[in-house]
This record gives sequence, C-alpha cells and structure tokens, in this order.
Amino acid sequence: LAKTTQPISMDSYEGQEVNITCSHNNIATNDYITWYQQFPSQGPRFIIQGYKTKVTNEVASLFIPADRKSSTLSLPRVSLSDTAVYYCLVEGGNKLVFGAGTILRVKS
Amino acid sequence: ETGVTQTPRHLVMGMTNKKSLKCEQHLGHNAMYWYKQSAKKPLELMFVYNFKEQTENNSVPSRFSPECPNSSHLFLHLHTLQPEDSALYLCASSLGTSGAFSSYEQYFGPGTRLTVT
Repeated sequence: LAKTTQPISMDSYEGQEVNITCSHNNIATNDYITWYQQFPSQGPRFIIQGYKTKVTNEVASLFIPADRKSSTLSLPRVSLSDTAVYYCLVEGGNKLVFGAGTILRVKS
Repeated sequence: ETGVTQTPRHLVMGMTNKKSLKCEQHLGHNAMYWYKQSAKKPLELMFVYNFKEQTENNSVPSRFSPECPNSSHLFLHLHTLQPEDSALYLCASSLGTSGAFSSYEQYFGPGTRLTVT
C-alpha cells in the first residue's frame, strides 16, 4: 500500500505561485494521484487528478515525473481564499491512502 | 453544496449509547464511503460500498457497523464507542470505485462531528 508524505505547512503571499509536493515512493503501476482541498468545517473538495506527466485544469496543475514517486500540485497566483489544507491521495483497486495534509497559509 | 448531506452535523454520545449517522447523496452515484478524520491523523478510509455491496472494510472495529440500503443512502451505526473514537466522520460518494487504471472524483459531505464522553 502506497504511503504518502507531504510538508506539514507552507506560507505564501497573494499573487504567488505555490507548489506542494507529495512523495509516494511505492506507488503501484495502476494507482492514480488525486489532490483535494479542505476548508474548516467542510469535507474535502476535489482539485485535480492525474496518472503521469502533466495535467492542468482551471484552478491548478499537477506534475508527475516519469518515475511517479512524487507529484507536485501547482496553484498559480494564490489568493487569501486559497488558505486551506491540501491532501494528496494515491488510489487504486479500492485502496485509498491520503497524505497527512499540507496547511497552506496565504498572507496579504 | 456538494450534493452529499450528512446528519446530524454534531453528536455527543456516552460510551453506552447507540446512535446512527446518516449520509445521503443526490448525485446518482454508485459508490459511497465512510472516512474518519481525527485531529492528529490523516483521513482514514473505513468502509466502501459499490452498488450497495461492501467492497472494503479497513479493519474497522465492530463497534462501527455500516449499512447501505441503496446507492443513495449510507448509515454508520455506533455502539459502545470509546473516547478515542471522537472525530469528524465524513461520507463521500463517487460514480464508481477505483480500479485498474481508473479513478473517480469523490464528493464529500460536511461531516458529523462526534464526541464520545
């Protein structure tokens, strides 16, 4: 079962790009990588998902190197409302392993 | 509003009580999940149901008993809980469950904050 490791917290300023990396050394060939965002008193919310290389949507990009042992969530030009906890998830075959989460604090 | 509702939002129960948590999804999904989120631990998957059938039980103690009468409803029956069971219990749903080279976005409810006294 893949184990994931993320930084505990990160600080940034409005308008900056933020990159959060998740390590998943023993990811299986079939596993997907997904990132979720969670605000206080709410359930997590899907941000982006990928299997390899790069995926981009309207809110984020996800970079996955060829060996897939890590992935990086990139948030362009963060705002105060992006202050939240970000979780990476490795999933495959009904096995879901969430990381401990990264607290992102965006300052003005 | 994610389309997944949970009731109650807050629950305080004694160790000898029996209570149930309810989850309902209005998204037409086929899979439903229970997670436990404690203050000092990552999200822990407890149970997975797909088309009303339990497909995953992540070594959860028997004092937690899930029930999935149909694809839209999921219950978690609680009895003789311990103080360490106090946590946020999250329900989620997805169109399907992850398989080989496939994965589905999960939609989470707001959770039930459970306190066991």
